[in-house]
Amino acid sequence: SQQGEEDPQALSIQEGENATMNCSYKTSINNLQWYRQNSGRGLVHLILIRSNEREKHSGRLRVTLDTSKKSSSLLITASRAADTASYFCATGLSGYSTLTFGKGTMLLVSP
Amino acid sequence: DGGITQSPKYLFRKEGQNVTLSCEQNLNHDAMYWYRQDPGQGLRLIYYSQIVNDFQKGDIAEGYSVSREKKESFPLTVTSAQKNPTAFYLCASSSGTGALRAINEQFFGPGTRLTVL
Repeated sequence: SQQGEEDPQALSIQEGENATMNCSYKTSINNLQWYRQNSGRGLVHLILIRSNEREKHSGRLRVTLDTSKKSSSLLITASRAADTASYFCATGLSGYSTLTFGKGTMLLVSP
Repeated sequence: DGGITQSPKYLFRKEGQNVTLSCEQNLNHDAMYWYRQDPGQGLRLIYYSQIVNDFQKGDIAEGYSVSREKKESFPLTVTSAQKNPTAFYLCASSSGTGALRAINEQFFGPGTRLTVL
């Protein structure tokens, strides 16, 4: 069964606004990863946050992890039209060499 | 120029035919993965391999087969037993597990879009 589930399914904003996407999962994890996919392309890794971390930054990206609520959020600040893509969360479990992906959030940033 | 490549980009198959999708990586990664993606859906794991000459079934292995004879290569065969093979197929590789033995980031190829005619 799918471990991660993103919310919202789709998000439409204007350039310059912030975009927030959420991911909920069901079982304990060791790390949670966010990926980006442009239409018809492969996924690109954005950021990995471990279960003992609460927040991580990378450029305009900010990821938080709340293990008590089994949820994570991805914030993209000052969004650009080039940020238009689908964003997926994926969870990794200790001792397992696979990831489980959610269905993704489709982000549209209008100029 | 390190990376992971997939070929072909587009593939058309007649019903009843087997087709093989290529995946090659020069990242020196031990682990390789095959995913299937349907429109508006997430990725579902078909097969994965953690080491040469070894592979395991994922969540939706029925109708697919793989081999891992070389570290760099992990081809996927879509057999005629796969009832609904039209989809976007993604190959990925990873250096394996890291801290707390949880999986490290995965690097993805550009994908192959398979259409059954």
